[in-house]
Amino acid sequence: QVQLQESGPGLVKPSETLSLICTVSGGSLNTYSWSWIRQPPGKGLEYIGYIYSNGRTDYNPSLKSRVTISIDTSKSQFSLRLSSVTAADTAVYFCARDTTTGTLDYWGQGTLVAVSS
Amino acid sequence: DIQMTQSPSSLSASVGDRVTITCRASQNIKKFLNWYQQIAGKAPKLLISSASNLQNGVPSRFSGSGYGTDFTLTINSLQPEDFASYYCQQNYISPWTFGQGTKVDIK
Repeated sequence: QVQLQESGPGLVKPSETLSLICTVSGGSLNTYSWSWIRQPPGKGLEYIGYIYSNGRTDYNPSLKSRVTISIDTSKSQFSLRLSSVTAADTAVYFCARDTTTGTLDYWGQGTLVAVSS
Repeated sequence: DIQMTQSPSSLSASVGDRVTITCRASQNIKKFLNWYQQIAGKAPKLLISSASNLQNGVPSRFSGSGYGTDFTLTINSLQPEDFASYYCQQNYISPWTFGQGTKVDIK
């Protein structure tokens, strides 16, 4: 059974960089894409981007200038960096496996990141 | 970006009811449409992919249909564990986009 777990700071100051790691267990990172999605409190889901196991990335244009997703297959981890954060970036951040392009079949439990001074 | 519009935004229903949620895409997405269920405080769960393919382990009371721009999620005989929010998502053209969600609560 594939499991994903997000980890990282729950509080980030405005203008700083949000950094999260997703650790995958129970399966290989190879041949899949790995995604980040976020959900502001009480709102809907927003796709952030994905990385394929070979390192190819795809980012939501609305966040592209601030987002970096990377992967470390040796550690079974992939990560998210979001720079120059503001209060609008406060959200629950989910990592997920992409079984085919854009179909998210396994999700982490999510981690709340608040942006505040 | 492709806009996904769900209706209704919320509905109240009773156990045993049949519930229908619709999702409309701003352009033709063929059958590249997924449905997710999200129980409050939990991660979304994939219910249906490619508009109508029920995922393993998902009860058969859930079904999906549609093609092009108009899609439907139907829950036959609503069960207590089905009270949740439901999201459609297009995976035809990146960036993948989600509908705003439909919250199903108890009447």
